[in-house]
Amino acid sequence: DAGVIQSPRHEVTEMGQEVTLRCKPISGHDYLFWYRQTMMRGLELLIYFNNNVPIDDSGMPEDRFSAKMPNASFSTLKIQPSEPRDSAVYFCASSQGNTIYFGEGSWLTVV
Amino acid sequence: QKEVEQNSGPLSVPEGAIASLNCTYSDRGSQSFFWYRQYSGKSPELIMFIYSNGDKEDGRFTAQLNKASQYVSLLIRDSQPSDSATYLCAVMHGNEKLTFGTGTRLTIIP
Repeated sequence: DAGVIQSPRHEVTEMGQEVTLRCKPISGHDYLFWYRQTMMRGLELLIYFNNNVPIDDSGMPEDRFSAKMPNASFSTLKIQPSEPRDSAVYFCASSQGNTIYFGEGSWLTVV
Repeated sequence: QKEVEQNSGPLSVPEGAIASLNCTYSDRGSQSFFWYRQYSGKSPELIMFIYSNGDKEDGRFTAQLNKASQYVSLLIRDSQPSDSATYLCAVMHGNEKLTFGTGTRLTIIP
């Protein structure tokens, strides 16, 4: 299997612009997670889905953040409008059972 | 109090020695415990997990769990330079949600 696939790998955008991060989970996995990693706060869970349904979005920092999972093979995390403090690595991960596998991450810089 | 706490390090260990990484957690209901390794610029990768009190060994790695003390540790025997990385402790709530510590940076000195 190709593993969890994320795009873009790197993005630099200007403050106020919309950012969309994409994720393809491992086939057959029924859980999908979005994490954000910064030096100061480490890995934080933003939201997770089970069978395409959002289960817990309590980690989403603000209304500027939204996530969707229209089908079992695709999810997006959108930031609108983006701010410099959103600069971080955003990881998508998937699991079946209790072993979670991470994608390579999307490195976001907002200037 | 953070849910999962780790000493951020850096922890420096001579090559060939035993590296000991520690983690404490606050939720007594936590059931599963994981150690991930993350190289600089890469994603976390699972090393091992443990559910029951006691030790679990996998090659050079041993995970130790003490639920009464809410304490998890990872021992790395015969440390190699390739073990230099950040080690993340994670705790699973129920069967779904994984909460991570901020990680301990380990450096193996040749």
